Parts: sequence; structure tokens; C-alpha cells
Amino acid sequence: GIQVEQSPPDLILQEGANSTLRCNFSDSVNNLQWFHQNPWGQLINLFYIPSGTKQNGRLSATTVATERYSLLYISSSQTTDSGVYFCAVLPNAGKSTFGDGTTLTVKP
Amino acid sequence: GAVVSQHPSRVICKSGTSVKIECRSLDFQATTMFWYRQFPKQSLMLMATSNEGSKATYEQGVEKDKFLINHASLTLSTLTVTSAHPEDSSFYICSALIGGVNTEAFFGQGTRLTVV
Repeated sequence: GIQVEQSPPDLILQEGANSTLRCNFSDSVNNLQWFHQNPWGQLINLFYIPSGTKQNGRLSATTVATERYSLLYISSSQTTDSGVYFCAVLPNAGKSTFGDGTTLTVKP
Repeated sequence: GAVVSQHPSRVICKSGTSVKIECRSLDFQATTMFWYRQFPKQSLMLMATSNEGSKATYEQGVEKDKFLINHASLTLSTLTVTSAHPEDSSFYICSALIGGVNTEAFFGQGTRLTVV
């Protein structure tokens, strides 16, 4: 099956810093999404981004489907940004395959 | 965006009992839903695909007799953990897809199951 790799696995930032999270995938995908899992476990949809670039406030994402990677940018990070960030791909049959996540800790 | 509601959010049960978790699509119809399991500090692992009106499709290594899935309507799928044991304690989360060509997944709030 398709492999999804996220990096870095852990990231510690000072409040106000910027960061880039990466997601590599091993095969063509129909869809790619970024999620933030909050401390209560809920998965929050950040971006649906099979290709191109999107921005939402301090967050933006870029997917280069031909090169099989996606990037999530967080600017001016805040403590509330802490949590685990997952990317997930839908290669076929609608089954989302998740990466192992990046655990982000933003310190005040 | 679309809403997927999962209930309960937390449940504690005794070993040997069964627990039912509900997953509802509130503002759309979902012919297919997915059930995931997440252990602490790990990623989500797909357990099974729930198909409305037919049997669920289980991933390799998932016991279908232990994790019973019923998708009786276009808006409801249930996961029943039968004869629960402490090792079944985990975070269970469901999802549903919207869209044809541009398919997007939406997730429920998750259920934290603790078997004592």
C-alpha cells in the first residue's frame, strides 16, 4: 500500500516562530488532507489540498502532486497550535492512509 | 463543513461487557464510513470500512467477531466492541467521505474507551 511519511516527528517552537511540516507519499493520490488533532483527540480539518496552495489565516499548505509531497506552514505560532498534525492521503477506494504525525509544542 | 457526530466521547466499561459506539453523518448521507483505532502517541489505523446495507470490510488482523459493525442507514454506523478486555482500551474514531472526484474526509470527535 501507499506509504506516507511525515517530518519532523517532533517540533518544539517558541511562540511567534514559524515552522514547516512535510508530508511525503509514495504513490499518486486522489486527495490529501492536513489535520490537527487537539489534546482531546478531535481531528480538525485544516486543508483539503490535492494540489496547489491554500491559505487560511496563519496556516498555509502546498501540495506538489507530481513530486509527491505536501508542506504545511505555520506562521507566528501560538501555544494553541500545539498538538499533533497529520497528513492523510486517499490513494484509492476512499481509504485514508495517515502519516505518523508531527507533534508540535509551542512554548510561551 | 460537513459534520460527523460520534457518541459517546468517553466510556468506561468492565471486562467482559460490550460497548456500542455510534457514528452519525448529520447533514449528509454516507454510504460508506470508516472506523479507526488510535493508540497513545500513535497514528490512526484503519480497522474497517462500513458499507450501508451490506457487510463491513475489515482490515487484516482485525477480528470481525470482536468488532461488530452495523451500517443500517445512510446516516448511522455503529461499532460494537464485544466482550471487551483491557487491551481493547483505545481511542476509536469514525469518518465519512463527501464528494465524488474531490473526495474529502470528515471525522467524528472520537471515543475514548477504557476497559477496567
